[in-house]
Amino acid sequence: ETGVTQTPRHLVMGMTNKKSLKCEQHLGHNAMYWYKQSAKKPLELMFVYSLEERVENNSVPSRFSPECPNSSHLFLHLHTLQPEDSALYLCASSQDSGRGETQYFGPGTRLLVL
Amino acid sequence: GENVEQHPSTLSVQEGDSAVIKCTYSDSASNYFPWYKQELGKGPQLIIDIRSNVGEKKDQRIAVTLNKTAKHFSLHITETQPEDSAVYFCAATANTGGFKTIFGAGTRLFVKA
Repeated sequence: ETGVTQTPRHLVMGMTNKKSLKCEQHLGHNAMYWYKQSAKKPLELMFVYSLEERVENNSVPSRFSPECPNSSHLFLHLHTLQPEDSALYLCASSQDSGRGETQYFGPGTRLLVL
Repeated sequence: GENVEQHPSTLSVQEGDSAVIKCTYSDSASNYFPWYKQELGKGPQLIIDIRSNVGEKKDQRIAVTLNKTAKHFSLHITETQPEDSAVYFCAATANTGGFKTIFGAGTRLFVKA
């Protein structure tokens, strides 16, 4: 257990569905991240939140919408996804962002878009 | 843009042998270099890290070396065991006032019993 939990662990959705991924960290960290992990590609940073404010948005399509209601919770709202969005979505947290802090990852949500 | 290259992409060793994974980074401002291990069905977990003011760090069977001049850093696993089989990622973080961690593409390590 890393102190970062993600739900659901697996998700299958159609291209017209709306779903949300949830991440919770129990480490008292101030920064949270969403990554996309596709086969044989480096981890792709999607969003960074620091103290509940979004500080990074790496040109992610608007069909992905993050939400950070407090420093312990992070959501990724999904809407009209494409099959190429199928991947493992990882949440991570760190004490602070941008200062060489170790990131602690959750187990990920395996997403399949049909 | 900045990137981190990781080699090899796949590595197969016999149990008890050593394994070496190498990474090269491009951003000279990088000063923190973590290594993560990802087992099947789990997220990446930190196994060792090194900062730019240190050339080598060791933790039991795992060691990391850093050559800042050449912008190279490597992970060394000695006396490999089957449970070392996993995907390993290197990363480089630049302390430039904003978030900037770049990951390598990963190395899949197989340790044959």
